[in-house]
Amino acid sequence: AQSVAQPEDQVNVAEGNPLTVKCTYSVSGNPYLFWYVQYPNRGLQFLLKYITGDNLVKGSYGFEAEFNKSQTSFHLKKPSALVSDSALYFCAVRRYRDDKIIFGKGTRLHILP
Amino acid sequence: DVKVTQSSRYLVKRTGEKVFLECVQDMDHENMFWYRQDPGLGLRLIYFSYDVKMKEKGDIPEGYSVSREKKERFSLILESASTNQTSMYLCASSFGQGADEQYFGPGTRLTVT
Repeated sequence: AQSVAQPEDQVNVAEGNPLTVKCTYSVSGNPYLFWYVQYPNRGLQFLLKYITGDNLVKGSYGFEAEFNKSQTSFHLKKPSALVSDSALYFCAVRRYRDDKIIFGKGTRLHILP
Repeated sequence: DVKVTQSSRYLVKRTGEKVFLECVQDMDHENMFWYRQDPGLGLRLIYFSYDVKMKEKGDIPEGYSVSREKKERFSLILESASTNQTSMYLCASSFGQGADEQYFGPGTRLTVT
């Protein structure tokens, strides 16, 4: 079955430190991978996506993600965390059989001042 | 900027009531989606539409129906609301399908009592 997993429900990082939010996937065919962020009381906002090309994808707000085919991962990263990065982060992958997007369960990121 | 608006941010309804959730997008997107978001479950696709008057069931369509009479408007209908439909409902739109990012509305938090 095609799926996406976010192994951590919550990640705590001190402000100024690098952050990583993990995502692994299982899909048929070439993966299309996405990261979205949800700030409190808001809808989801698109951060970045990998379709093809460079394994390192740069997105909004200084975030980037690294596609690793051998480890079937697409971890979200940022070199220096800000308190304003505190939010709920969703990894998503295209489901090959019907071209729909399936979302992970989300990881809550807390940046500690 | 793409704007997706939803008719209500908060809604309280009684069991058995018919409930309408409205969504409007202003970017001439072909595709529109309805999701529900529940803690620990991520986002789950209820229904989607690729064109006016066209609708397709998503992963959890039971108890819901949709209507798309105009390209910019996609309505979710709960024919007879039940307590297990208490949730956050998110509408989204996209230009294309699997490879294209989705743009989300702010969400409607529905409580069924």
